[in-house]
Amino acid sequence: EVQLVQSGAEVKKPGESLIISCKGSGYTFSNYWIGWVRQLPGKGLEWMGIIYPGDSDTRYSPSFQGQVTISADKSISTAYLKWSNLKASDTAIYYCARRGSGFDFWGQGTLVTVSS
Amino acid sequence: QSALTQPASVSGSPGQSITISCTETSSDVGSYNLVSWYQQLPGKAPKLMIYEGSKRPSGVSNRFSDSKSGSTASLTISGLQAEDAAAYYCCSFAPADSTWVFGGGTKLTVL
Repeated sequence: EVQLVQSGAEVKKPGESLIISCKGSGYTFSNYWIGWVRQLPGKGLEWMGIIYPGDSDTRYSPSFQGQVTISADKSISTAYLKWSNLKASDTAIYYCARRGSGFDFWGQGTLVTVSS
Repeated sequence: QSALTQPASVSGSPGQSITISCTETSSDVGSYNLVSWYQQLPGKAPKLMIYEGSKRPSGVSNRFSDSKSGSTASLTISGLQAEDAAAYYCCSFAPADSTWVFGGGTKLTVL
């Protein structure tokens, strides 16, 4: 069974750094792109970027380029989303999703709250 | 900037059919392809309903279908059921910069 399991909810202060994770199982992690999607409170889905764990080829939405860093460690079947300088406006739910036929499997989401 | 425009809301009664549109508003009309559709129930992760080539994943009802005309893709739900009440998002690939983009989402209310 394909599963993507994300790390737990985080509460951070503005200016802090953060890494959240997405661990895949039930398939060959290296062979499928993993995308990250943001959902602001009460708002729609925003595509942030995507990585191919096999060779770490990474693409970013222009809106998120330079704001976050996407990485992956294929040896432990895990993708990451990193912030170096969190802002209150980063408060959102973040989803990872596997790019198979469409974005066919999704993580459960990680709630990130940034507040002073 | 490239974008996909969806109506904010649609509604229908049980048993009826509804259609949700998704229009490419990029200046490079027709550059989008590989449209897929997602359902998001309140408090849940999105779920793939239709993927490229109008295909349905295993387990998705055949009441869900899509079509495309020019720069507009459309999701049709026939035989509307109360459980279909959710937000629906289209998603497409933008080959110009090898990125993906979601539409703004449409809230479906089943009356």
